[in-house]
Amino acid sequence: GAVVSQHPSRVICKSGTSVKIECRSLDFQATTMFWYRQFPKKSLMLMATSNEGSKATYEQGVEKDKFLINHASLTLSTLTVTSAHPEDSSFYICSALTQGLEAFFGQGTRLTVV
Amino acid sequence: GEDVEQSLFLSVREGDSSVINCTYTDSSSTYLYWYKQEPGAGLQLLTYIFSNMDMKQDQRLTVLLNKKDKHLSLRIADTQTGDSAIYFCAESGNTGKLIFGQGTTLQVKP
Repeated sequence: GAVVSQHPSRVICKSGTSVKIECRSLDFQATTMFWYRQFPKKSLMLMATSNEGSKATYEQGVEKDKFLINHASLTLSTLTVTSAHPEDSSFYICSALTQGLEAFFGQGTRLTVV
Repeated sequence: GEDVEQSLFLSVREGDSSVINCTYTDSSSTYLYWYKQEPGAGLQLLTYIFSNMDMKQDQRLTVLLNKKDKHLSLRIADTQTGDSAIYFCAESGNTGKLIFGQGTTLQVKP
């Protein structure tokens, strides 16, 4: 199957700082990528749809100014958590969509804000 | 909106078969997925099925899809202790975004 790489896998940051998470499709081009968030012992919640060359589409209740998404190329989308607070601590996962609409996931990033 | 439902917990004995069930509401689903998540880890794609298929088998895994009833199941044959994890069912429509179930915790007893 296709490979999606997410980096970093773990990050600890201080409250008030910003953190950037990268999602790369390694062996295919993805015009569409998705960002999900998983709370402890919960399912995955879709945060936003990232479209190459255009603005991301955010799900209801997700603050677009807090979770900045940039999809500058066909193989890279980034999620920046701005002015992070402890309540932003979570597991963030991206997925990239092939042309055949198959979704492949990155390994996830565990963010801890202290 | 779209919804995916799973039972929350399943306990089996090592060597038995496990069957994890999932129902969904989106009739335009394109792909249906099964993911495994071990504690503290990311999602591992186990298998997926295209919506025009009824069954897919991959080694110990068998996926059955009843499109009429919008019911998906994952059967794990000869369940091992290493299969203990949370299993997520997910469906995607023609936009490609996935809607996940709540996850089923599979406990395998020796």
